[in-house]
Amino acid sequence: EPEVTQTPSHQVTQMGQEVILRCVPISNHLYFYWYRQILGQKVEFLVSFYNNEISEKSEIFDDQFSVERPDGSNFTLKIRSTKLEDSAMYFCASTAGENTEAFFGQGTRLTVV
Amino acid sequence: AQSVTQPDIHITVSEGASLELRCNYSYGATPYLFWYVQSPGQGLQLLLKYFSGDTLVQGIKGFEAEFKRSQSSFNLRKPSVHWSDAAEYFCAVGAREYGNKLVFGAGTILRVKS
Repeated sequence: EPEVTQTPSHQVTQMGQEVILRCVPISNHLYFYWYRQILGQKVEFLVSFYNNEISEKSEIFDDQFSVERPDGSNFTLKIRSTKLEDSAMYFCASTAGENTEAFFGQGTRLTVV
Repeated sequence: AQSVTQPDIHITVSEGASLELRCNYSYGATPYLFWYVQSPGQGLQLLLKYFSGDTLVQGIKGFEAEFKRSQSSFNLRKPSVHWSDAAEYFCAVGAREYGNKLVFGAGTILRVKS
């Protein structure tokens, strides 16, 4: 069964450092998303990406965040200068189209120290 | 603004008992509705989905949910809970009008006692 894969599963970084979280969406999917879940809180939408550009972003997704689809398979989330409050589980998701369900990866747990 | 409410933070049921997890939404468009399950430290697994048609939908692991437009609800049910069902359950809502992004509820932690 096709699945969304995320790497790494866990990353620890120092405050102020840049991190790149990687995702490989399901191969024939067209829409890509990043969500985050701070420990003990709800899952929150960060950004959606379609046709090689951001289609929507939340208030959380400020100038410190960026996304990229550098090739035909990877979808990355970069945090330029991490803050303690960026510590969270980050989920990548993809969908085949507008009326289809989102498939989530297993998540990357980011810990900023 | 779109919102999803799961009024129960924790629910404890006995193994073999029936289960109902509540979900209410406030949305300005025709919603798509989902239930996801998350085991500790794990990702989100889709249990079931509703896009249109029959308002009673069947999912994996014996779960079902019923969409009630008049009550803006999408409650999750299971007739007989197994110990392996202990996890956190999230209701999520999306809509084409809002770019298909999902808005999640706060989650309900299910504990199963033997």
